[in-house]
Amino acid sequence: EDQVTQSPEALRLQEGESSSLNCSYTVSGLRGLFWYRQDPGKGPEFLFTLYSAGEEKEKERLKATLTKKESFLHITAPKPEDSATYLCAARLFYSSASKIIFGSGTRLSIRP
Amino acid sequence: NAGVTQTPKFQVLKTGQSMTLQCAQDMNHNSMYWYRQDPGMGLRLIYYSASEGTTDKGEVPNGYNVSRLNKREFSLRLESAAPSQTSVYFCASSPDRVNAGELFFGEGSRLTVL
Repeated sequence: EDQVTQSPEALRLQEGESSSLNCSYTVSGLRGLFWYRQDPGKGPEFLFTLYSAGEEKEKERLKATLTKKESFLHITAPKPEDSATYLCAARLFYSSASKIIFGSGTRLSIRP
Repeated sequence: NAGVTQTPKFQVLKTGQSMTLQCAQDMNHNSMYWYRQDPGMGLRLIYYSASEGTTDKGEVPNGYNVSRLNKREFSLRLESAAPSQTSVYFCASSPDRVNAGELFFGEGSRLTVL
């Protein structure tokens, strides 16, 4: 069964304390791994797309990486404004949106 | 800078009532989607429309109907609401099929069915 699992469910860090969020996937034929940020009461906001193992993307304090089985979202020296829920999603077989599977997210909280 | 606009933002229904959630995008995107998000679960696709005039079922279509009114608008209808349909509903759009994973979301419609 195709599945996307994110860990941990929640993560509390001190400002400046770097860490990583994990997204593991068991899908038959990955055609894109996506990261989104979601603030409370808002819709998800697109961050990154990764297509092949070894690929990396960066944006400010965030860096996303991809292996054949999982993706990591590395957060370097986070600030309180980085607090949000981070979602990953896997797209299968270049198909339509019916094959995009979302994980349940990691709630990240950064304390000043 | 509207992007994807959903109405209403909040709604309370009684079991058996019907309602329509409206969604409009101003980015000239071909594809539009309806998802629901429940606590502890990922976003689940209800219906999608790859282009004007076409609609297809997603993972959880039972109890819902959709209409792609034109390229801009995609509505979701609950004909007879049930408490299991209490959720946050998100409309999304994407520019084309090749990059279909890059979804742009609205701010959500919070529905409570009593």
